[in-house]
Amino acid sequence: GAVVSQHPSWVICKSGTSVKIECRSLDFQATTMFWYRQFPKQSLMLMATSNEGSKATYEQGVEKDKFLINHASLTLSTLTVTSAHPEDSSFYICSAASGSNYGYTFGSGTRLTVV
Amino acid sequence: GENVEQHPSTLSVQEGDSAVIKCTYSDSASNYFPWYKQELGKGPQLIIDIRSNVGEKKDQRIAVTLNKTAKHFSLHITETQPEDSAVYFCAASKNFGNEKLTFGTGTRLTIIP
Repeated sequence: GAVVSQHPSWVICKSGTSVKIECRSLDFQATTMFWYRQFPKQSLMLMATSNEGSKATYEQGVEKDKFLINHASLTLSTLTVTSAHPEDSSFYICSAASGSNYGYTFGSGTRLTVV
Repeated sequence: GENVEQHPSTLSVQEGDSAVIKCTYSDSASNYFPWYKQELGKGPQLIIDIRSNVGEKKDQRIAVTLNKTAKHFSLHITETQPEDSAVYFCAASKNFGNEKLTFGTGTRLTIIP
């Protein structure tokens, strides 16, 4: 079946630094990548949608200059949290989609803690 | 945009009993309705899904029903086991695999041994 690898699984960074999270589709080509953020005991909230080779589309209220999304290939998308602050601490989850072939496949998530 | 409501937020059932979780959606254009199980510290795992041209789907102990007219769909788990304890999310999309999923608020299911 479709597999999505997300790394790192957890990261601790200092306030003001940047962190990059990778999401790879291992056995299929992901035409679309979705990035979600999940706070403790809450639901998944979509941050942005990216299509390979195009600029990401951000949801209302998500700062595009703070959360940089790159989808340079059909198997890799990255989310970079720039100038991280403690309020950015959350669980970030990617989801790769490939139209009607594979639907949505989720990564295992990245726990970001900003200290 | 789409809004998905989910009830109850918490549910405790005795092992062996059935559990039912309900969701309603607002956008009549939505046509794909998956259910996910999420364990602590992990990404969501698809457990069952249904398309708008089907009213019911079953996979062993798990079933999903869809009422398009009322815009609601439900997850049914029979013969519950301790390993069913997790958080369950419903979701909706207008175009399978191409458009975003909108998630419900989640249900924390606890199976009491």
